Amino acid sequence: EDQVTQSPEALRLQEGESSSLNCSYTVSGLRGLFWYRQDPGKGPEFLFTLYSAGEEKEKERLKATLTKKESFLHITAPKPEDSATYLCAVQAGNDYKLSFGAGTTVTVRA
Amino acid sequence: SQTIHQWPATLVQPVGSPLSLECTVEGTSNPNLYWYRQAAGRGLQLLFYSVGIGQISSEVPQNLSASRPQDRQFILSSKKLLLSDSGFYLCAWTYRGRLAGGPSYGHTDTQYFGPGTRLTVL
Repeated sequence: EDQVTQSPEALRLQEGESSSLNCSYTVSGLRGLFWYRQDPGKGPEFLFTLYSAGEEKEKERLKATLTKKESFLHITAPKPEDSATYLCAVQAGNDYKLSFGAGTTVTVRA
Repeated sequence: SQTIHQWPATLVQPVGSPLSLECTVEGTSNPNLYWYRQAAGRGLQLLFYSVGIGQISSEVPQNLSASRPQDRQFILSSKKLLLSDSGFYLCAWTYRGRLAGGPSYGHTDTQYFGPGTRLTVL
């Protein structure tokens, strides 16, 4: 069974204080690893898809990286508007389904 | 561009009452469709998915059911709600990729989510 563990559960940052979120996974034949951002009371918003170890993707202050066992979401010089819950999900080889982690809630104080 | 709608946005229902949540997608054809439930502090739990009209796969045994009467419409139902059915219900879609016999797009498996329905069962 696919497993996804995200850490830490919660992260409080000062504005400008860079940090990283971790997503550890076990899956039989990774097809893709996905990062989403979710604001309170809203649906998840797609950020990145990573397909193979060594791959990196960037969007504004966010950078996602992937190894064979985990993925990191780096937040560089965060702003209060980066406050949200960040979800990680994996998809196995020949499967329609995504397995989600519980998420990391990031709070950025001005 | 593609848009996904869910309604209602919020719902408060008594135990034992029926349920019908609706999801529609615009701007694409033959999408794969998904229903998830999200409990507080927990990850998303896949409930149902569908690769075509009338084709429903259930992931979790429960008193919920799903139907897909039209290509871009996905409905989540229950005949009698339980307290444990409370939660945030999310609909998602993907392109109909090669796993479903369709053409291959660049990111066929990325799931795009709707705004969600907050269900409270009292």
